[in-house]
Amino acid sequence: GQNIDQPTEMTATEGAIVQINCTYQTSGFNGLFWYQQHAGEAPTFLSYNVLDGLEEKGRFSSFLSRSKGYSYLLLKELQMKDSASYLCAVRDRNYGQNFVFGPGTRLSVLP
Amino acid sequence: GAGVSQSPRYKVAKRGQDVALRCDPISGHVSLFWYQQALGQGPEFLTYFQNEAQLDKSGLPSDRFFAERPEGSVSTLKIQRTQQEDSAVYLCASSPSSGGPYEQYFGPGTRLTVT
Repeated sequence: GQNIDQPTEMTATEGAIVQINCTYQTSGFNGLFWYQQHAGEAPTFLSYNVLDGLEEKGRFSSFLSRSKGYSYLLLKELQMKDSASYLCAVRDRNYGQNFVFGPGTRLSVLP
Repeated sequence: GAGVSQSPRYKVAKRGQDVALRCDPISGHVSLFWYQQALGQGPEFLTYFQNEAQLDKSGLPSDRFFAERPEGSVSTLKIQRTQQEDSAVYLCASSPSSGGPYEQYFGPGTRLTVT
C-alpha cells in the first residue's frame, strides 16, 4: 500500500518562511504534486517533482528526494492569503493514474 | 477559459435516497477522476476514466456507488440508498492526458449531506 504523512497544522507569521514536509512510501513512484486548498474551494496546483532536487516558482519552491521518500514545500514572504491547507499527492504507477493524497497541512498565517 | 464545473454545489439527501452528482471537465481533457474528501482530510480516490472507459474503480466504497462517462466528456457519480457515512465533499478532476507531468484540475466539489 501507500502511506503519505504530513503535519496536521502549522502556524507562521506574515513575511516569514515556512517549510511543509511530506514523507511517502510507494513502490512505483511516478511523481509528487503539491496543491493548495482554501476552505470550501477546489485544490489548485502548485508544483510537480519527479526528479530529485528543487523546483522554484516565485514564492513557492518544492524539493524532492526519492531515495528518502521525502518532499517539502517552501513558502517565502508569507502573506495572509497563504492561509490554507496544503496537500501532498503522490502518483504510483502500480496504482494507475490517480493521486494518493496526504491528509493535508493546515497553515495559519498570523499578522 | 472555463475550468472544471460541478453541480449541484450542495446537496442534502435523506438517508435512503439516491443522488446524482455531475461533473463537466475541461473541454478536450482525456482523463477524469472522482475523489471523496471528508472534513479535514485529503481527497481519497474513487474512480478514473480515460475518455469513456472506466479504467479504475477500485476506490468506490461499495456497490451503491456508480459512475459513468458515456460520451467521454460529462461524468455522473451516482450514489444509491445514501447513508450518513456518505456525507462528504465529492471532487471531480480532469487532466489533458494520463501520467506524465500533467496535473489534475479540480472542480469546486459537491458537498453532500445525508440526514
